[in-house]
Amino acid sequence: DADVTQTPRNRITKTGKRIMLECSQTKGHDRMYWYRQDPGLGLRLIYYSFDVKDINKGEISDGYSVSRQAQAKFSLSLESAIPNQTALYFCATSDLLGGGKETQYFGPGTRLLVL
Amino acid sequence: RKEVEQDPGPFNVPEGATVAFNCTYSNSASQSFFWYRQDCRKEPKLLMSVYSSGNEDGRFTAQLNRASQYISLLIRDSKLSDSATYLCVVKYSGAGSYQLTFGKGTKLSVIP
Repeated sequence: DADVTQTPRNRITKTGKRIMLECSQTKGHDRMYWYRQDPGLGLRLIYYSFDVKDINKGEISDGYSVSRQAQAKFSLSLESAIPNQTALYFCATSDLLGGGKETQYFGPGTRLLVL
Repeated sequence: RKEVEQDPGPFNVPEGATVAFNCTYSNSASQSFFWYRQDCRKEPKLLMSVYSSGNEDGRFTAQLNRASQYISLLIRDSKLSDSATYLCVVKYSGAGSYQLTFGKGTKLSVIP
């Protein structure tokens, strides 16, 4: 079974709609992240959370919001979707080992198309 | 703002070849460095961390040059299964600040 799961895996929506992408993990990690990936731009960090009471903006947070409902759950919302939010979205968790070593474990991704 | 830059690729190499990828980063305070691998339409997965003294994992060797702000990945004896996109990742973490920056990736195709 996957340690990091995302739902839905694919979503088509219309401009102006509110949508939520959900992420769950069974790895027991405190740290969770949301990224988007666009062709030619690489992965960019949207929001991150180091524990249940901690939420931080990443590089491209405008137009997005998040909720950390529990250690295992981190959801991403698009309040009013727009076409340039069409992308592949990844959730990730990480452990933090000594010496700054940190491994990111990614979910399978959600493909979002905003028409 | 290009904080992490990689060879544009794509690299098309025959099986058994040795191939090297380069990566430069702009934040001199960066603390940790990684190579991730991403297969087509899949999630990225950690390939290896990069240590200051350089490190090797089987056919893969990673090097770090802090003075030049440069990271490399060498793959020896390329296999068909090495075909993927390789992402250079740089981390900075300080008081109230956290940056994990991914390069755009270099695509490798190993040809029979």
